[in-house]
Amino acid sequence: DVKVTQSSRYLVKRTGEKVFLECVQDMDHENMFWYRQDPGLGLRLIYFSYDVKMKEKGDIPEGYSVSREKKERFSLILESASTNQTSMYLCASSFGGSYNEQFFGPGTRLTVL
Amino acid sequence: AQKVTQAQTEISVVEKEDVTLDCVYETRDTTYYLFWYKQPPSGELVFLIRRNSFDEQNEISGRYSWNFQKSTSSFNFTITASQVVDSAVYFCALTSPLTTQGGSEKLVFGKGMKLTVNP
Repeated sequence: DVKVTQSSRYLVKRTGEKVFLECVQDMDHENMFWYRQDPGLGLRLIYFSYDVKMKEKGDIPEGYSVSREKKERFSLILESASTNQTSMYLCASSFGGSYNEQFFGPGTRLTVL
Repeated sequence: AQKVTQAQTEISVVEKEDVTLDCVYETRDTTYYLFWYKQPPSGELVFLIRRNSFDEQNEISGRYSWNFQKSTSSFNFTITASQVVDSAVYFCALTSPLTTQGGSEKLVFGKGMKLTVNP
């Protein structure tokens, strides 16, 4: 079974802190994605990566950066956390090709105080 | 631009009722793929089905069925004889080869529909 794991289920940080969210997949997927999910807004794509060291901005990249040094790991970085970044963060991965489904991790609920 | 609309935001039914979740999409591409995902209270989205634009056959899987109609740009999902375990948020999503950027495929999600099945 495909497994996508995220480093934390719940995280509480303070405004201005640097925050790292880690995601690891074990199926050798080329693509990895970071979304945030907010009530009434659905899932919004922050960044995605189609290969090691490659990244592309999604729909809401402001305030975030990413890192993909190894194929199985995709990190989301909040350089200086703000309260409006309080959200559920979902990581996903997939094989290349738009017909392939994405596999999601359990999510990290981040609260920024 | 690609768009997915799930007009219903929340539905509540009693167990054993049938329920249909609507999904309407917009795309100018002739080749595209539609997906349904389920997000139970645990939070992890689970893939349910994929349909490509050239295959309009309806599909049935147990109590689940999907009705894809290109003429109305709809990809509706019906749960027959709903059960409490069906309670979840359901997302419809769309992608196409032309939305690729640098080789990676972007999914466009609807806003989701929360289904509550009461005993």
